[in-house]
Amino acid sequence: GAVVSQHPSRVICKSGTSVKIECRSLDFQATTMFWYRQFPKQSLMLMATSNEGSKATYEQGVEKDKFLINHASLTLSTLTVTSAHPEDSSFYICSARDGGAKNIQYFGAGTRLSVL
Amino acid sequence: GDSVTQMEGPVTLSEEAFLTINCTYTATGYPSLFWYVQYPGEGLQLLLKATKADDKGSNKGFEATYRKETTSFHLEKGSVQVSDSAVYFCALSSGANSKLTFGKGITLSVRP
Repeated sequence: GAVVSQHPSRVICKSGTSVKIECRSLDFQATTMFWYRQFPKQSLMLMATSNEGSKATYEQGVEKDKFLINHASLTLSTLTVTSAHPEDSSFYICSARDGGAKNIQYFGAGTRLSVL
Repeated sequence: GDSVTQMEGPVTLSEEAFLTINCTYTATGYPSLFWYVQYPGEGLQLLLKATKADDKGSNKGFEATYRKETTSFHLEKGSVQVSDSAVYFCALSSGANSKLTFGKGITLSVRP
């Protein structure tokens, strides 16, 4: 199946710093990528939908100035958590949609963010 | 709006036992249905899918049938293995953007 690479897999940072997470589709072009947040023992919460070359669409309650999303190419989307605080600690997962006939989302391995 | 309801967990089974994980959905239109599996510390992997009524998705011994009349997509496996221990998410996709709506997930533990 298609491969989505997410980096880094784990990051620990101090409160107030910014953290960038990359999501790459390695063997297909992804016009749409999605960013999710997962709390312990809970389901995935969609944060935003990222379309290549345009502004991301954020879900209700997600601060767009806090979680900056850039989708500069058909294979790369980035999520930047700005001025991170301990409550931002979570598991962040990206997915990329293969827009071909299968129209399936493929997921990255996730990034564990811990803000001290 | 769209929603997915999964049975409450966790589920603990002995190896070679039969597995059923219930999933029902509410959606406008005709969604595609998915089961994703998440192994400890990893992201989600697509396990199987079905795109229309009466379709059966299958993979690695797991099966699920798209039942429109009961709006269900129950996951089954005849004989589970320890390596099947993971969290299983039922999901649906609908609309132009094909956004996924997930159930809460259920943790399966298989003991030797």
